[in-house]
Amino acid sequence: EPEVTQTPSHQVTQMGQEVILRCVPISNHLYFYWYRQILGQKVEFLVSFYNNEISEKSEIFDDQFSVERPDGSNFTLKIRSTKLEDSAMYFCASSSGQGVGELFFGSGTQLSVL
Amino acid sequence: QKEVEQDPGPLSVPEGAIVSLNCTYSNSAFQYFMWYRQYSRKGPELLMYTYSSGNKEDGRFTAQVDKSSKYISLFIRDSQPSDSATYLCAMSAYSGYALNFGKGTSLLVTP
Repeated sequence: EPEVTQTPSHQVTQMGQEVILRCVPISNHLYFYWYRQILGQKVEFLVSFYNNEISEKSEIFDDQFSVERPDGSNFTLKIRSTKLEDSAMYFCASSSGQGVGELFFGSGTQLSVL
Repeated sequence: QKEVEQDPGPLSVPEGAIVSLNCTYSNSAFQYFMWYRQYSRKGPELLMYTYSSGNKEDGRFTAQVDKSSKYISLFIRDSQPSDSATYLCAMSAYSGYALNFGKGTSLLVTP
């Protein structure tokens, strides 16, 4: 069964450092998303990406964040200068666009900023 | 006022019980309603989605939406220990747009 793959599963970094979280969406999907979940809180939308550009972003997704699809298979989230409050589980998701809400989520990257 | 409210539980029921999970919301623009299941240390997995008001059934699961009350429900019949997970409601105003999640309800089904 196709799945969304995220690497690494855990990332520990120092405050102020740059991190790149990587995702391989399902191969025939066209819509890509990043969500995050701070421990004990809701899953929050960060950004959606379609046709090589951002289609929607939340207030959380400020200038410190960027996304890229560097090739035909990977989708990355970069945080330029991490803050303590960026510590969270980051989920990548993809969708074919055929079904409403049919987002397929990866298992997440747990980011810890020290 | 928070857009999507969901009782976090935990909810503990015996195997075979009927489980009722609920969410309320404040944004009347929401039209697409979803239920996701999340196991520990895993990403959310779509269970059900409904457009606008009404009921939808899939096996042991039934989703209900009452837009007039801004209230959605998920019923699980004949609950099994494997149903133990966190259940997240999510909703959106437009197809393909950002999902607004509830905080999730933790469910434990005991044998």
